[in-house]
Parts: sequence; structure tokens; C-alpha cells
Amino acid sequence: EPEVTQTPSHQVTQMGQEVILRCVPISNHLYFYWYRQILGQKVEFLVSFYNNEISEKSEIFDDQFSVERPDGSNFTLKIRSTKLEDSAMYFCASRKEARTGTGSYEQYFGPGTRLTVT
Amino acid sequence: AQSVTQLDSQVPVFEEAPVELRCNYSSSVSVYLFWYVQYPNQGLQLLLKYLSGSTLVESINGFEAEFNKSQTSFHLRKPSVHISDTAEYFCAVTLRASQGNLIFGKGTKLSVKP
Repeated sequence: EPEVTQTPSHQVTQMGQEVILRCVPISNHLYFYWYRQILGQKVEFLVSFYNNEISEKSEIFDDQFSVERPDGSNFTLKIRSTKLEDSAMYFCASRKEARTGTGSYEQYFGPGTRLTVT
Repeated sequence: AQSVTQLDSQVPVFEEAPVELRCNYSSSVSVYLFWYVQYPNQGLQLLLKYLSGSTLVESINGFEAEFNKSQTSFHLRKPSVHISDTAEYFCAVTLRASQGNLIFGKGTKLSVKP
């Protein structure tokens, strides 16, 4: 069964450094998402991506964050200058439907990348 | 703005006992509702969803949830739990007119004891 994969599973970085979190969504999916979960808190939406551009983003997704689909398979989240409060589990997800308002709305999640900023 | 409340952060229960995990949402517009489950060291998996139609939805492993519009609730139930149901359960909503981004509750850790 196809699945969303994420690398690395755990990333440790120093404050101020740039990190890139990588995701490989399911191959025929069209919508891509990043979420994060700070330890002990709820899973929070960061950004959605469709047709090679950001379709929605939350207040958390400020200028320090960017997303890219550099080729036909990878979907990346970059944090330019990490802060201590960026420490969290980051989840990538993908969804198949071509149009909003149709289909199952089911998102498939990856296992997450735990980012630790020291 | 939309929000999801899961009142119970932890629910301990004995094997074969019934369980209910509560979820309430707040939204001024129509939403779709979901329950996701996260087993240790794994990603989130869809357990069941309500999009339209019958307000009672069921999963393949015996869980069910009922959409109650008047109470803005979507509680998850199982009549008899197994040890293997031990996991964290997340309730989520998405706006019908959105790009599908999910708004999650804080999660409920279900711990099933023998």
C-alpha cells in the first residue's frame, strides 16, 4: 500500500541554522500539507500546497518558512533560521482529489520528523 | 474561527470495557469531521469520517462516531476495547469550502489495561 514517507526521522540543529525537512507524498496525490505538533500540544496546520503553489497558510507559517516541490516526488519544508520554539514533530500529508468539495477529503500522513533546536 | 475540543486528555480503561472519547467543535459554517489515530512511533491514520448522509459512521475495527449537529459533537465510541486499541486519538474538522486543511483537537490518549 502506498504511503507518505518523511526524512529524517529526527533532526537536531542549533538555533539560527537552516533545516530542510523532506517528504515524499503518495505519487498520484495532488494536495500536500505540513503540520506540526509541539510536545504536549495539538497538531497545528502550517501550509497547504496545490498546483505548485501555496493554497493556504496559517499564522505560524511566517517568512522563516518556505515549501517547495523541487521535482515530481519530493515536498520540502525549509526553516531558514531556526528558533527554540520551532522544536516540534513535523508531519507531512497528502490528498488525492483534484477539486475541493469532492471526494473523501482523506489525508494520508507520514510518520513525522522530530525537530529539536538547541 | 473554528476549533475542536477534546475534553479528556487521557482515558484509562480495562480490556473489553466500553469507551467513549468526546469531541466537540465550534464552527459557524459547515464542516467535515474526522477521527485520526496515532499508534506509538507512527503517523496519523484516518479512523473514520463524516462528510454527509447518515450521522452514524463506523470503522472497520469496531469504532463508531455519531455526528450531532445540535450539540456540535462527534464522539467516538467502541463497545468493547482491546489492548491493541491503545493509542492517541485525534478529532479534526475541515471547512467544506477550504483546501482541506485540518483543525485538530489536542488528542486523547486511550490506555487499555488487561
